[in-house]
Amino acid sequence: KNEVEQSPQNLTAQEGEFITINCSYSVGISALHWLQQHPGGGIVSLFMLSSGKKKHGRLIATINIQEKHSSLHITASHPRDSAVYICAVSVGQDSGGSNYKLTFGKGTLLTVNP
Amino acid sequence: DTGVSQNPRHKITKRGQNVTFRCDPISEHNRLYWYRQTLGQGPEFLTYFQNEAQLEKSRLLSDRFSAERPKGSFSTLEIQRTEQGDSAMYLCASSFGPTWDSKNIQYFGAGTRLSVL
Repeated sequence: KNEVEQSPQNLTAQEGEFITINCSYSVGISALHWLQQHPGGGIVSLFMLSSGKKKHGRLIATINIQEKHSSLHITASHPRDSAVYICAVSVGQDSGGSNYKLTFGKGTLLTVNP
Repeated sequence: DTGVSQNPRHKITKRGQNVTFRCDPISEHNRLYWYRQTLGQGPEFLTYFQNEAQLEKSRLLSDRFSAERPKGSFSTLEIQRTEQGDSAMYLCASSFGPTWDSKNIQYFGAGTRLSVL
């Protein structure tokens, strides 16, 4: 069983819809990351959070540490939001005391149609 | 700052050949990570460096794989005697470290796609 599970695997929406992508993890974590990957490979970090909620533009990320669950929300979705959204966790800390290697989910392919 | 740069972007090779990829991190970042991503999967951790020191290697990194970061700046990942199973996207990322705050966010390169025929 993968340590990080995402749902759904694929999501198709109409422009303007509210999108929710879920992430569950099975281990204790130092931080949870949401990343965006466009076709061709480039990965961009959207959020890093260890508690509560963060908002950036139309994107909102929440995390519930007790339930080991996080959600990524996109409000007023747009075709340019079409991408793979990946949840990743930092499952430990190194001798320097910081988050380091990431363990990734398989990603959610989001397609937003005009 | 031009971000994390990886070269080449694509590499096609025959089974049994050696290949080398290069990653140039963001200049002020002292941490550098290598990940591998196969089709339909999330990336998997391979190894990471703090400055020139290689601090951890995944069990995925067989003895055919070697990574270096000789002067704590750019890094190379070499695969010897490539196999078809090595076909994947090889991603490099860099970050500040050690730090607990948002500076630890990893910035990714566009990746090198390897195809082993």
